[in-house]
Amino acid sequence: DAGVIQSPRHEVTEMGQEVTLRCKPISGHDYLFWYRQTMMRGLELLIYFNNNVPIDDSGMPEDRFSAKMPNASFSTLKIQPSEPRDSAVYFCASSNIPLGPGTSGQETQYFGPGTRLLVL
Amino acid sequence: GENVEQHPSTLSVQEGDSAVIKCTYSDSASNYFPWYKQELGKGPQLIIDIRSNVGEKKDQRIAVTLNKTAKHFSLHITETQPEDSAVYFCAASTPRTGNQFYFGTGTSLTVIP
Repeated sequence: DAGVIQSPRHEVTEMGQEVTLRCKPISGHDYLFWYRQTMMRGLELLIYFNNNVPIDDSGMPEDRFSAKMPNASFSTLKIQPSEPRDSAVYFCASSNIPLGPGTSGQETQYFGPGTRLLVL
Repeated sequence: GENVEQHPSTLSVQEGDSAVIKCTYSDSASNYFPWYKQELGKGPQLIIDIRSNVGEKKDQRIAVTLNKTAKHFSLHITETQPEDSAVYFCAASTPRTGNQFYFGTGTSLTVIP
């Protein structure tokens, strides 16, 4: 498997523009997570999906941020309008929770390479 | 919710020495503790993990210990090499919140040749 794929890898835009980040999770994984990483706040969970359904979006900073997962192999994170304080590295991660005897119900998350966003 | 604290924030060691990074967590229901290594310009990569039914796990030069009573876990890297230089993150996960991870603030490790 190619791992989690994110695009674009780098994005430079001007304040007020719409930004769309894309993620393809690992095939067969039923959880998908969007994180934001900055020096000041570290790794922040923005939203996560289970079987394409948003489960917890409490980390989404404000209404300017939205995320969708139209199918099991694709998700988008959109910022509209973008602001300079949105500049950060955005990561997508995916995981799969094994079920059945002997499993703890927790499984690791595999991260993509990230999208480095700069809003001028 | 869960709160994970990580120390130290920066760590410098001489090549060949050992490095230890410590994390504490608050939710006694947490049962899965992964460690990630993040190199410059890359995403975090899992290096080792431990579940709450195990006290210690080792993989070559890397080991993790877990003390459930004290609610802390540690990463040990022995015989450090320059390529171990990176930022390391600990995390905790509890079934109460699905597969959500709560990350520490990271430790920047520098191995001096």
